[in-house]
Amino acid sequence: QKEVEQDPGPLSVPEGAIVSLNCTYSNSAFQYFMWYRQYSRKGPELLMYTYSSGNKEDGRFTAQVDKSSKYISLFIRDSQPSDSATYLCAMSASGNNRLAFGKGNQVVVIP
Amino acid sequence: EAGVAQSPRYKIIEKRQSVAFWCNPISGHATLYWYQQILGQGPKLLIQFQNNGVVDDSQLPKDRFSAERLKGVDSTLKIQPAKLEDSAVYLCASSPEYGQPEQFFGPGTRLTVL
Repeated sequence: QKEVEQDPGPLSVPEGAIVSLNCTYSNSAFQYFMWYRQYSRKGPELLMYTYSSGNKEDGRFTAQVDKSSKYISLFIRDSQPSDSATYLCAMSASGNNRLAFGKGNQVVVIP
Repeated sequence: EAGVAQSPRYKIIEKRQSVAFWCNPISGHATLYWYQQILGQGPKLLIQFQNNGVVDDSQLPKDRFSAERLKGVDSTLKIQPAKLEDSAVYLCASSPEYGQPEQFFGPGTRLTVL
C-alpha cells in the first residue's frame, strides 16, 4: 500500500465551478498536510498547509483534514482558467520533513 | 526574495554517460532537498541536507547517484552512469530550518536519457 494515494484522473470543469480534490494516506505519523500547485514545466508551489485535523481557508481555497479517516481534501471555489494546473497533496510527520507526495490531479478549468 | 535556482533547465544524454545538476537555495535556508519526479508521478525525495550534513539519503540510489552541499549553500547532484529509467525532472527545494513544513521548489532540471 502506498503511503499517499491520489487518484490521478484528469478533471475538467467549467469556469466558476467548485473543484474538489482528495487524497488518502496510510501513515499515522503524518501531522502536516499540504497542497501544492504545479504548472506545466514549473516546480511545485505551496498553496496551503494544515497541521493535524481541521479546516483551513485561504481566499477561494479550503483545505480539510480528517485524521480519523486518513483523508484530506482541497476545494477551489469560483474556479478560474488560471487555476488550470496539476494539484499535488503532500504530507510529513512532525520533526521529519520528508514530504510524501500523491501522484497529482490535472485540473482544467474551461472558460 | 529570489527563489530557488537550478541549472541546467534541460539535459539530454545517452545511457551510461554522467550528468550533474546544480541548485542554489533561497538565501538563508538551512535545509535543502533533491527530489526526483518521473512523468505522471509526485516528487520522490532523494536526499535531504541540513546545512552541509546529510539528514536523509535512504532513497538515493547510491551506486550511481551522489550529492554534496559544500559550505552549506549550493548543492550538486550527480548521476554516473545514467540509465534510461533516470529520465525525470530533478527538483531542488529549500526550507528555512529543520522541522519547517514549508518547502520552496525550484523550476527543476528535465533529464532525458536516450
